[in-house]
Amino acid sequence: SQELEQSPQSLIVQEGKNLTINCTSSKTLYGLYWYKQKYGEGLIFLMMLQKGGEEKSHEKITAKLDEKKQQSSLHITASQPSHAGIYLCGAGLRSGGGADGLTFGKGTHLIIQP
Amino acid sequence: ETGVTQTPRHLVMGMTNKKSLKCEQHLGHNAMYWYKQSAKKPLELMFVYSLEERVENNSVPSRFSPECPNSSHLFLHLHTLQPEDSALYLCASSQHRDRVLREQFFGPGTRLTVL
Repeated sequence: SQELEQSPQSLIVQEGKNLTINCTSSKTLYGLYWYKQKYGEGLIFLMMLQKGGEEKSHEKITAKLDEKKQQSSLHITASQPSHAGIYLCGAGLRSGGGADGLTFGKGTHLIIQP
Repeated sequence: ETGVTQTPRHLVMGMTNKKSLKCEQHLGHNAMYWYKQSAKKPLELMFVYSLEERVENNSVPSRFSPECPNSSHLFLHLHTLQPEDSALYLCASSQHRDRVLREQFFGPGTRLTVL
């Protein structure tokens, strides 16, 4: 089974609307990362969350971490065409931190309709 | 150059060829990673190098051979690949210190096609 489940798998939103993407882990989270990827390109780092209840914002994107639920959400306010792409959540699933490869979800494909 | 760079950006090779992918990070980081992104599958970790030593090999076939000559450079040597190895190969780096999780920054990737 998938260690990190993202929902929805795809999302079509009208420009200007708000949206939320969720990421749920089947294991204890040791850090949760959000990235954005343009099709066939590298990942752009958005935010990293480490502590339960932590919330970070960058421009119109806000991410929260619910440690008890082993879940994170990414919220975009007043979506714009530039928000279109694939959003990936990645997590460290082993304690100890340090140089640790990340486990990723399958991604959420976001399309913004004008 | 800034951030993480990868060359080549696109590579087409036959199953009997030998080629190498190169990654260079300009961030002063001490940990580097190789990931594989195949169609319809999550991004998969392949190798982790910390302070130029391989600390993880995520059950990757021996036809993939990593090399980390210094903290700024990471290579992935390829030989006798299979068509199912066609994928986007991504390199990442991070600063590893005090066993605290740090941000990982990714390169643009190399799109590999094996014929």
